[in-house]
Amino acid sequence: AQKITQTQPGMFVQEKEAVTLDCTYDTSDPSYGLFWYKQPSSGEMIFLIYQGSYDQQNATEGRYSLNFQKARKSANLVISASQLGDSAMYFCAMRGPFGGSNYKLTFGKGTLLTVNP
Amino acid sequence: GAVVSQHPSRVICKSGTSVKIECRSLDFQATTMFWYRQFPKQSLMLMATSNEGSKATYEQGVEKDKFLINHASLTLSTLTVTSAHPEDSSFYICSAVPGLAGGETQYFGPGTRLLVL
Repeated sequence: AQKITQTQPGMFVQEKEAVTLDCTYDTSDPSYGLFWYKQPSSGEMIFLIYQGSYDQQNATEGRYSLNFQKARKSANLVISASQLGDSAMYFCAMRGPFGGSNYKLTFGKGTLLTVNP
Repeated sequence: GAVVSQHPSRVICKSGTSVKIECRSLDFQATTMFWYRQFPKQSLMLMATSNEGSKATYEQGVEKDKFLINHASLTLSTLTVTSAHPEDSSFYICSAVPGLAGGETQYFGPGTRLLVL
């Protein structure tokens, strides 16, 4: 069974500083995908970044980067130069191997990020 | 690209009535769509996987006669909450995976807030 753990219920960061949101995962499958989504108070889930289990390099998307440490089973999200609009709930999720019902995502409990001016 | 819409965004209904929620992929086709439920300050809970042209696959504990899912085309899935009761009040959000042969990322709709009086 797959499991995602986000140990930080809430995080605070000053505007323009960097912040790291932690995510660890557990799976016995050799092939998997890791995602980060942002959920503002409006409720929509916004896709931020993806890392495949066989990707050699850490994923980056603008101010977002994923610190993927396979041996430690961690996939931390790093947000550089935080902005007030980054205040939201952040979810880490894992997708199983291709095929059948394994498109399903397993979500962590989320981390509420607050960016202070 | 990869835009998913949901309608309605908010609905209030009386106990005992049925409510239909639509999920549309606007700029891509999706063989697979998912329906989630989210309670306040909690993570997303997968309810069912919707596959175009076939029956939905429900997660354990989800009443399929209560939550009817129809995936009539490659761009539309509907969730009908039948004989809704106050305990069905929640935030319902759908997602879609681009492509006809599977893909990597789920893109989410903006969600529907259901309040049953």
